[in-house]
Amino acid sequence: AQKVTQAQTEISVVEKEDVTLDCVYETRDTTYYLFWYKQPPSGELVFLIRRNSFDEQNEISGRYSWNFQKSTSSFNFTITASQVVDSAVYFCALTYPNTGNQFYFGTGTSLTVIP
Amino acid sequence: DVKVTQSSRYLVKRTGEKVFLECVQDMDHENMFWYRQDPGLGLRLIYFSYDVKMKEKGDIPEGYSVSREKKERFSLILESASTNQTSMYLCASSLFGLAVTYEQYFGPGTRLTVT
Repeated sequence: AQKVTQAQTEISVVEKEDVTLDCVYETRDTTYYLFWYKQPPSGELVFLIRRNSFDEQNEISGRYSWNFQKSTSSFNFTITASQVVDSAVYFCALTYPNTGNQFYFGTGTSLTVIP
Repeated sequence: DVKVTQSSRYLVKRTGEKVFLECVQDMDHENMFWYRQDPGLGLRLIYFSYDVKMKEKGDIPEGYSVSREKKERFSLILESASTNQTSMYLCASSLFGLAVTYEQYFGPGTRLTVT
């Protein structure tokens, strides 16, 4: 069975603080993909990153960075110098090739950045 | 930019009514998906389709059906709406991959209330 756990339901930080959103997954497969999505108050999920299981390099995109560690089955997301516009619900998801591209989403982490 | 549109942002229906939710994408994606989103439960897959007239059940198909007569359009049907189907409904689309999984692009969502 596959499962994605986002243990942090809600997080609040003060603007300019760094924040890390945790994502832990369970799978027996060796080939899989992990994703992060952002859902701002407007409601539309926005794709942030895709990572396959064979690529463990960390990724940085501006203030966003992702730490993929297969040894701990984690794919954590860090926002550096948070801004009010980062306030949103963030979802981590797991999927496999050849399964119709079905995604398995975590329950999401609601991030509030306080000005 | 990929554009996924949904026919309504807000919808109020009565118990027992037949409800149609429409989704259209303009990027020639093979895959289309319907999710419902409820607080604390994340996104749950209702149905998906990888080609015209093809459909696959997701995790919670009971009480729903779908239709895909054209590649760009994927409809979700609530045959007889019930109050427990009050939820946010999200449509998504993606490219089809055999040995790779592509990101899904989401519409703005339809908030359905069944009274």
